[in-house]
Amino acid sequence: DTGVSQNPRHKITKRGQNVTFRCDPISEHNRLYWYRQTLGQGPEFLTYFQNEAQLEKSRLLSDRFSAERPKGSFSTLEIQRTEQGDSAMYLCASSLRSGVVPYEQYFGPGTRLTVT
Amino acid sequence: GESVGLHLPTLSVQEGDNSIINCAYSNSASDYFIWYKQESGKGPQFIIDIRSNMDKRQGQRVTVLLNKTVKHLSLQIAATQPGDSAVYFCAEVKGANSKLTFGKGITLSVRP
Repeated sequence: DTGVSQNPRHKITKRGQNVTFRCDPISEHNRLYWYRQTLGQGPEFLTYFQNEAQLEKSRLLSDRFSAERPKGSFSTLEIQRTEQGDSAMYLCASSLRSGVVPYEQYFGPGTRLTVT
Repeated sequence: GESVGLHLPTLSVQEGDNSIINCAYSNSASDYFIWYKQESGKGPQFIIDIRSNMDKRQGQRVTVLLNKTVKHLSLQIAATQPGDSAVYFCAEVKGANSKLTFGKGITLSVRP
C-alpha cells in the first residue's frame, strides 16, 4: 500500500501522560499536514510542513503539542501532559506542491486518541 | 469569521435516486472548494473540486455546483449506490499553504 500510513491506529492513555504519533506520507509528497477531528465535526488544521520546514501552526496547537518532520519524510506529533480534551482522531495528510492539483491532500486512516 | 458549514446533519435516499448535499460558506476569498467523503474508520477521501471562478464541474456520477451570489456549494450524486453511504464534508482551500477548512459533516445513508 503506497498511501499515507499512521501509527498507532488507536491509543488509550491516562491524563498527564505523553503520547507520540507517527505519519508516513506518500513517498514523493513534499507537503505534510496534521489535522484533528472530533466526532461529527470536520477535521481542523493543526500544522503544515513543506519538506522539513514547519511553515504554519494553528492556534489550536498549544504549547503541549509539538510536531517534527526531521528529514522531510515521516512526521511525528507529540502531545505532552495529555488532557481529556485532547481525545480526538488525529489525521495526517500529504500532497505534492508541484502536482497537477497541489491542494489535493491524501489522508491517512488517523490515530484515535482516548485520554482517560 | 470564516466558516464552512452544512445545512442538514443527515440525508437518507433510496438506492438509484439522485442525492444532493448542500453546504454554505462565508469566506469569499477561498481559492477552491472541495468535497470529501469519509467512510467509517478511514480518513477523508477527495471526491471533486471546483475553482472559485467556476460555477459547475462534473465528474464521474458527481457534479459540484458553486453559487457565489449566495455563497452556496452543492454536491450532486447521480444514481446513488450503497457504496456512497458515508459522511460528506465540504472544505475550502485558501492561501499558499493550501490548508483545508472543513465544515461539519453530513451523513448520507442509502436505503436498498
